[in-house]
Amino acid sequence: NAGVTQTPKFQVLKTGQSMTLQCAQDMNHNSMYWYRQDPGMGLRLIYYSASEGTTDKGEVPNGYNVSRLNKREFSLRLESAAPSQTSVYFCASRGTGAANEQFFGPGTRLTVL
Amino acid sequence: TQLLEQSPQFLSIQEGENLTVYCNSSSVFSSLQWYRQEPGEGPVLLVTVVTGGEVKKLKRLTFQFGDARKDSSLHITAAQPGDTGLYLCAGTQGGKLIFGQGTELSVKP
Repeated sequence: NAGVTQTPKFQVLKTGQSMTLQCAQDMNHNSMYWYRQDPGMGLRLIYYSASEGTTDKGEVPNGYNVSRLNKREFSLRLESAAPSQTSVYFCASRGTGAANEQFFGPGTRLTVL
Repeated sequence: TQLLEQSPQFLSIQEGENLTVYCNSSSVFSSLQWYRQEPGEGPVLLVTVVTGGEVKKLKRLTFQFGDARKDSSLHITAAQPGDTGLYLCAGTQGGKLIFGQGTELSVKP
């Protein structure tokens, strides 16, 4: 089992460029999440998908779009990157057990120049 | 404003010392989780506490959930260099996790 995988691991963009961050999970989880992590800020929720076919905004959705392609895959798109979007992005999926545990991918480190 | 406030944000101690990390909020959470994150990796769940006043132990780590389910603490006994990392508390609200800012712990040999 690979768990949660993310691509790419690193990316450098120029202001105004677009890109899509890919995420996939092989644990048959219904819920998936996208977070960004900035120094001193913890993890902030960008978007989430409670089940295939549904997506909802989190705390910081501006400048991002998401697609829940199928049960396994949840992508995050930056249409016109800005320096304020320089961050580490984590995808996570949530199990159905009582612990409500979220499983995180290894992250994508994005720099916008 | 951060919904969950963690303190301290940074902690540098010697091997063998004890430490406590606090996670406080004015909001009630249905459950609270503690995660540990190492450089270049995603957070990994350590424990979930659900009941007010609950205490859970994981080897040298002791986790406590406040009686009112608004705060939590993580106590490490006899810290070791392998405990070095970022510790994050996260409260559950409406099926989503709200994270604190994190506590960066460094344990020197």
